[in-house]
Amino acid sequence: AQTVTQSQPEMSVQEAETVTLSCTYDTSESDYYLFWYKQPPSRQMILVIRQEAYKQQNATENRFSVNFQKAAKSFSLKISDSQLGDAAMYFCAYTSGANSKLTFGKGITLSVRP
Amino acid sequence: IAGITQAPTSQILAAGRRMTLRCTQDMRHNAMYWYRQDLGLGLRLIHYSNTAGTTGKGEVPDGYSVSRANTDDFPLTLASAVPSQTSVYFCASRRTGGSYGYTFGSGTRLTVV
Repeated sequence: AQTVTQSQPEMSVQEAETVTLSCTYDTSESDYYLFWYKQPPSRQMILVIRQEAYKQQNATENRFSVNFQKAAKSFSLKISDSQLGDAAMYFCAYTSGANSKLTFGKGITLSVRP
Repeated sequence: IAGITQAPTSQILAAGRRMTLRCTQDMRHNAMYWYRQDLGLGLRLIHYSNTAGTTGKGEVPDGYSVSRANTDDFPLTLASAVPSQTSVYFCASRRTGGSYGYTFGSGTRLTVV
């Protein structure tokens, strides 16, 4: 069974600084997708970034980028120029196959210090 | 606006009562899912449906049932609620194939007392 591990329950970053959130996963599949979701206090699940395993290039969305290490099964999220609005819970998630489900990590709470 | 509608937004329920959480999507997505979110545990899959007329068990299915009579609706039923079912419940859907984009509802906060 696939598992997703987020070992850090909480992190804090100074506004305008850069922070990296860690995620590792375990799978025997060769083709899969990885996601980072943001959940602010509103409870809404917001897709931050997505990475296809067959793509070697790391995904980037504005201030958000990933460091995808397929051999190490690592998928970390880097947030550059952190803003107060980035404060939220972040979930790493995995899926593979046409009928596969989304498996989540336990999440990390990110706080941003002004 | 296309998306997922969940109802109710929140509910306080007496233990032993029956409760159905509603989920409706208007995107014609084939696959639908129910997750529960608990602090420190992330989101865990309860039940899923890959297409209308089919359902499957997820990681934590005990005490819950689902049905998928049509593409749009995927209700989750607690037959006899217990306090351990206090949680936030999310419904999600996905268009099969392509980039595997998932859409989430806004969640239902359920408290069983």
